[in-house]
Amino acid sequence: DTGVSQDPRHKITKRGQNVTFRCDPISEHNRLYWYRQTLGQGPEFLTYFQNEAQLEKSRLLSDRFSAERPKGSFSTLEIQRTEQGDSAMYLCASSPKGQGLTTGELFFGEGSRLTVL
Amino acid sequence: AQSVTQLGSHVSVSEGALVLLRCNYSSSVPPYLFWYVQYPNQGLQLLLKYTSAATLVKGINGFEAEFKKSETSFHLTKPSAHMSDAAEYFCAVSPRLGGNNDMRFGAGTRLTVKP
Repeated sequence: DTGVSQDPRHKITKRGQNVTFRCDPISEHNRLYWYRQTLGQGPEFLTYFQNEAQLEKSRLLSDRFSAERPKGSFSTLEIQRTEQGDSAMYLCASSPKGQGLTTGELFFGEGSRLTVL
Repeated sequence: AQSVTQLGSHVSVSEGALVLLRCNYSSSVPPYLFWYVQYPNQGLQLLLKYTSAATLVKGINGFEAEFKKSETSFHLTKPSAHMSDAAEYFCAVSPRLGGNNDMRFGAGTRLTVKP
């Protein structure tokens, strides 16, 4: 088990372009979360999946953001028409069934850093 | 709604000195409380968690935290700092009963350890 992996680790793009991030959770974990972290702030919840179902979305997740987890394994987070305010670290986390936000530990990836010029 | 406030965005201690990182929480329901650590270029990892079993919680690397309901606090301590403790530390809260699945993190405290 190699833990939660995220790709790419760094992405520099121009305003208006689309970007996609991928997260591969720990294999036996059925819950997957996306967070955003800006400089000097803690992670902010964006959305979470249980298996392939997206169960909750934060109001931070504007219409330009879409997340999927089609087969209940890896997940993608797409940002369309990027804006400079989207520059942040995008964190993915996973947790096993029966645990998670209300009961236990989240296992985080190293994050994908987005810079929008 | 839940939230946490971490007092002090930067804390600097000498090697061997006591580490005290402060966290106060606000929660409308009984909370779960967590401390996570983030080393440079790494993901967050759990240090310890409070889930109502015991008010004094021991975690990895010699850290511990005490849940004080009367003070709505969950401060993180370590008796003797080591150079390897230099990192960013995040306090987090999530609802234990009902509510949503939204874990709220504090803004973080960067710990520097001087030789």
